[in-house]
Amino acid sequence: LAKTTQPISMDSYEGQEVNITCSHNNIATNDYITWYQQFPSQGPRFIIQGYKTKVTNEVASLFIPADRKSSTLSLPRVSLSDTAVYYCLVGAYNNAGNMLTFGGGTRLMVKP
Amino acid sequence: EADIYQTPRYLVIGTGKKITLECSQTMGHDKMYWYQQDPGMELHLIHYSYGVNSTEKGDLSSESTVSRIRTEHFPLTLESARPSHTSQYLCASSAGTGEAFFGQGTRLTVV
Repeated sequence: LAKTTQPISMDSYEGQEVNITCSHNNIATNDYITWYQQFPSQGPRFIIQGYKTKVTNEVASLFIPADRKSSTLSLPRVSLSDTAVYYCLVGAYNNAGNMLTFGGGTRLMVKP
Repeated sequence: EADIYQTPRYLVIGTGKKITLECSQTMGHDKMYWYQQDPGMELHLIHYSYGVNSTEKGDLSSESTVSRIRTEHFPLTLESARPSHTSQYLCASSAGTGEAFFGQGTRLTVV
């Protein structure tokens, strides 16, 4: 599995756009990039997944540069309810032997 | 809404007791996972399964054991609970796309 590095914590204010960057220098050709969100006392929830360029859904956007060695999760106009831990995962999930391993994540605090 | 269920939600049990944490999913997913997480701490993978009769240990050593006799069922057992086993245990399943669905978790307290 490609190792990922993300900031331990970030602070933001309501209404701002938040960008969380994840580094994955040894990403493999077959690897996808997946982001999860976790609230206290709950299991993580899938947010978005991408392979290259840009992916957008109703919750977030994911930007992946051409070399795929990093990715940026973008949360538009955050609210207090977006306070959570955000995890970046990299792997080829169609492989039977691929574990779903979470790192430390980024703890996002949204302030009023 | 994800169809994956864990029981019990909360469990307080004495040292030395045998416990089984239940996890069931109705999505037909081949891959299932067990994680252990203490409050405010990292999520650690302790067991996973690719399908029926396959189980593997995760990246965190655990005294628990698992079984996968049916696709939908992935129970976790502790033969002799100790206070060090006090934690939250989360079960997840996936079709192998990288999108996993998590249960509500079991908060275990061993006294």
